[in-house]
Amino acid sequence: KAGVTQTPRYLIKTRGQQVTLSCSPISGHRSVSWYQQTPGQGLQFLFEYFSETQRNKGNFPGRFSGRQFSNSRSEMNVSTLELGDSALYLCASSSGTLKETQYFGPGTRLLVL
Amino acid sequence: DAKTTQPPSMDCAEGRAANLPCNHSTISGNEYVYWYRQIHSQGPQYIIHGLKNNETNEMASLIITEDRKSSTLILPHATLRDTAVYYCIVRVAGPNAGNNRKLIWGLGTSLAVNP
Repeated sequence: KAGVTQTPRYLIKTRGQQVTLSCSPISGHRSVSWYQQTPGQGLQFLFEYFSETQRNKGNFPGRFSGRQFSNSRSEMNVSTLELGDSALYLCASSSGTLKETQYFGPGTRLLVL
Repeated sequence: DAKTTQPPSMDCAEGRAANLPCNHSTISGNEYVYWYRQIHSQGPQYIIHGLKNNETNEMASLIITEDRKSSTLILPHATLRDTAVYYCIVRVAGPNAGNNRKLIWGLGTSLAVNP
């Protein structure tokens, strides 16, 4: 089974721009969660999608948004980028069933200049 | 805040067992203990999880104390490739599991396996 894939792997943007990141979950997984990881910080939860619906949301400003498609692929968008948005953005998929073990993708490293 | 506390760093000699402790004194009865590891600049990798019984898989063993307030991840024969940051998190499984997503992961334990 193929793992979680994320594109692009690396991205450089400037302040004020917007960015869209993509995540393809493991086949059959319906839950996709997004996390932000900055140097010296633990993973911080952004949001989770399940069957095309946002099921949970973390404490991030409205500039961070996401969506999920019928094939469970998910995208997250960050508008009006700030320097502090530079981070590793991780996507994790799970079946959404009782076990809830999450499997992570390699991440997208975003640098905002 | 993270619901777990771990030492920031540990060293281990190659070939020896690495024992990584985790305190989760406020764990609830329906919360599982999960362990992940993250090799530099990669996504976290699932290792093992347990509720109250000790667990073992091909990667590691998980020992949970009887009161469930702490646990230890054991890598029986550490190799250089086990050098990584190890995260211990607690989470509920089942229909309300999605609420776990909001939990902030701590900084984990940076394990250095030395030759």
